[in-house]
Amino acid sequence: SQTIHQWPATLVQPVGSPLSLECTVEGTSNPNLYWYRQAAGRGLQLLFYSVGIGQISSEVPQNLSASRPQDRQFILSSKKLLLSDSGFYLCAWNADRVVRRELFFGEGSRLTVL
Amino acid sequence: TQLLEQSPQFLSIQEGENLTVYCNSSSVFSSLQWYRQEPGEGPVLLVTVVTGGEVKKLKRLTFQFGDARKDSSLHITAAQPGDTGLYLCAGPSYNTDKLIFGTGTRLQVFP
Repeated sequence: SQTIHQWPATLVQPVGSPLSLECTVEGTSNPNLYWYRQAAGRGLQLLFYSVGIGQISSEVPQNLSASRPQDRQFILSSKKLLLSDSGFYLCAWNADRVVRRELFFGEGSRLTVL
Repeated sequence: TQLLEQSPQFLSIQEGENLTVYCNSSSVFSSLQWYRQEPGEGPVLLVTVVTGGEVKKLKRLTFQFGDARKDSSLHITAAQPGDTGLYLCAGPSYNTDKLIFGTGTRLQVFP
């Protein structure tokens, strides 16, 4: 069966520090991968998505970046965090070429920037 | 632009009550999905409705897809505290690889 994991689960970082959140998927190949951010109690904002290694689409201009160095690995990074980067970050995947595009989410990473 | 609006935004009810959550759009969707998210966790897929007019049941939850495939509803019978969470509808974008999410309904069920 397929599984998705992301880490760390909780992160407290000072303003201006770097960020790296990692996500891996097991049990499938060539998944579509996504990074979402969620403000407290609200809906999901798509940040990046990837349909293959090295292929990254950015949805929101900001100081975050994403990379996909391997087929089932997706990384969210920042060189210098801002207070506004605080939030709940979710990695998700779905199967390539599945029309309905049902998503499967990781456990989430809560980032607090102080 | 395809948008999904959910109502109500917040809902607080007592255990045992019934409720309905709505997901509406001016655009046609090929399918719609419902997710539930508990605090501190990722959303979990509950159901996908595909055919206009389709009704699916998941224990005390009943999902319906509108005949024109522009809206969906989620009805919960005899709500329980375990139903508490954020309910999100979502549908595939017709011209990209993305899933469009609704604005969300936060449900609180008190014992």
